[in-house]
Amino acid sequence: GQQLNQSPQSMFIQEGEDVSMNCTSSSIFNTWLWYKQDPGEGPVLLIALYKAGELTSNGRLTAQFGITRKDSFLNISASIPSDVGIYFCAGPNPNYGGSQGNLIFGKGTKLSVKP
Amino acid sequence: KAGVTQTPRYLIKTRGQQVTLSCSPISGHRSVSWYQQTPGQGLQFLFEYFSETQRNKGNFPGRFSGRQFSNSRSEMNVSTLELGDSALYLCASRSVVSNYGYTFGSGTRLTVV
Repeated sequence: GQQLNQSPQSMFIQEGEDVSMNCTSSSIFNTWLWYKQDPGEGPVLLIALYKAGELTSNGRLTAQFGITRKDSFLNISASIPSDVGIYFCAGPNPNYGGSQGNLIFGKGTKLSVKP
Repeated sequence: KAGVTQTPRYLIKTRGQQVTLSCSPISGHRSVSWYQQTPGQGLQFLFEYFSETQRNKGNFPGRFSGRQFSNSRSEMNVSTLELGDSALYLCASRSVVSNYGYTFGSGTRLTVV
């Protein structure tokens, strides 16, 4: 089935550091979504991207929709402790006509504080 | 405005039983989707409903079913529970006139023993 390959799986951050993660697919997506999930909660939408090449910011977060439409990147600048959590990329499943209601998710990037 | 409300938050059931989970979408949202989240498989799509009609169904056995009511509230049912059904079940709603993706509820944590 369709898969989104998200990397890295986990990373440790020190306050003030910049963080980068990415998501790739073998299929073309018409939308890329980035979510953050805190323990015991549902995912919260951070950024939505709808056009190839689009670069969108939300505060310290910046995400890009790759030109090939098969990848997306999320950057967090000057990380703070509350950035800790799991970040997921997601997109409408191409096998279902790209319906917004049927999303495929990456396995997530877990951000933890560097010991 | 109130978010997506899922009840109950936690549930413990025995193998072989059946369970019904409830989701109240954000007021005005008519599209509701359900997802199963497990450590091994991650987030996987279960169903999508719009105006009481199932639009899409994920790759889950027939023991998983759902429905949507005229007020857009949705329920999902799992019959003959198996240990592997233990998961966080998430409901998400969206306004179909919005491009901003789905808003998720906090989920129902189901444990099958």
